[in-house]
Amino acid sequence: GAVVSQHPSRVICKSGTSVKIECRSLDFQATTMFWYRQFPKQSLMLMATSNEGSKATYEQGVEKDKFLINHASLTLSTLTVTSAHPEDSSFYICSSGSANQETQYFGPGTRLLVL
Amino acid sequence: AQKITQTQPGMFVQEKEAVTLDCTYDTSDPSYGLFWYKQPSSGEMIFLIYQGSYDQQNATEGRYSLNFQKARKSANLVISASQLGDSAMYFCAMRDYNTDKLIFGTGTRLQVFP
Repeated sequence: GAVVSQHPSRVICKSGTSVKIECRSLDFQATTMFWYRQFPKQSLMLMATSNEGSKATYEQGVEKDKFLINHASLTLSTLTVTSAHPEDSSFYICSSGSANQETQYFGPGTRLLVL
Repeated sequence: AQKITQTQPGMFVQEKEAVTLDCTYDTSDPSYGLFWYKQPSSGEMIFLIYQGSYDQQNATEGRYSLNFQKARKSANLVISASQLGDSAMYFCAMRDYNTDKLIFGTGTRLQVFP
């Protein structure tokens, strides 16, 4: 399957700071990338869909000014958690997709802890 | 609206035995894709198997097979010859071809014991 990397794998930050998470598709061009959030013992919740070269589409209830998504190239999408607060602590995971790819492949995820 | 239901929050199976994880879905679209992912404690989502709505045969991938019953709208995952390393969360998901989004079930935690 396709390879998706995510960086960092783990981050601890102080409340009020911003954190950037990178998602890279290593062996194919991802026209679409998806960002999910997962709380402990829960399922994945889709936050937003990012398409290369255009604005991200956010799911209902997700603050676009809080979670900034940039998909500047076919291999890189970034999620920036701005002015992070303890309630933003979660597991963030991205996945890749393209028109000719049936399956979404996931990155290894990023564990964010906001103190 | 599309929906995935996994009714088993937890399952136990003895090593080398087979286990079935249940998944039912609801959609009015004739075209859809069904997926199973494994999530070990490390958190990564590992793709296991895919079944298309028009596929005539049940999908198989090594020890994984998908028992696809279209009329019942079920897509159960069968793991044969369970191994200790199979202990993980398992998520069933459906792809919405209108949006390309994946809709996930709540997951089943599988524990394999010796």
